[in-house]
Amino acid sequence: DGGITQSPKYLFRKEGQNVTLSCEQNLNHDAMYWYRQDPGQGLRLIYYSQIVNDFQKGDIAEGYSVSREKKESFPLTVTSAQKNPTAFYLCASSISTGYGYTFGSGTRLTVV
Amino acid sequence: GQQVMQIPQYQHVQEGEDFTTYCNSSTTLSNIQWYKQRPGGHPVFLIQLVKSGEVKKQKRLTFQFGEAKKNSSLHITATQTTDVGTYFCAAILTGGGNKLTFGTGTQLKVEL
Repeated sequence: DGGITQSPKYLFRKEGQNVTLSCEQNLNHDAMYWYRQDPGQGLRLIYYSQIVNDFQKGDIAEGYSVSREKKESFPLTVTSAQKNPTAFYLCASSISTGYGYTFGSGTRLTVV
Repeated sequence: GQQVMQIPQYQHVQEGEDFTTYCNSSTTLSNIQWYKQRPGGHPVFLIQLVKSGEVKKQKRLTFQFGEAKKNSSLHITATQTTDVGTYFCAAILTGGGNKLTFGTGTQLKVEL
């Protein structure tokens, strides 16, 4: 079955450490996105990529980095520069802009 | 800056009552999408509206796009406990690049 896989589901890290969240899709979608969701809040866009080897900053990119070396993969690195990294991170993909997004099941990151 | 505002933030209903959430923008939208996120889950795409005044139905759910394409609504008839979750609208804003901006969401709780 096609879909988006995010791993791990839960992740714990010590403050000051970088951590990379995985996002893989087999939907053959061109566009991929990373969102952050805090408890009781909406979704805020971190980074997005419309094509391989290209990506743009979203609304809250500071303290994060991404790469898009393969169409099916869009990993997100949460760096030590991110002041409040504890959150629920959601990866999504779409065929192209203007189409509905398919979301992964998310990674809950806790930094202690 | 441009935003997509959603009201109400929370809604508690008795099972069998109707429910409506509203999404408003200060600018004209090219289209609008609706998503549902179950507690502890990830957003799931429900529908996309494109035309002015468009109305679409999915069983007990009715989606409407305003004539001026600045607002939208989601109406659920005779709510059930399976309708529990947070409903988000999302749209591509003018000058916002090819990315969705999500509304703040309406959290629906259904009591027996």
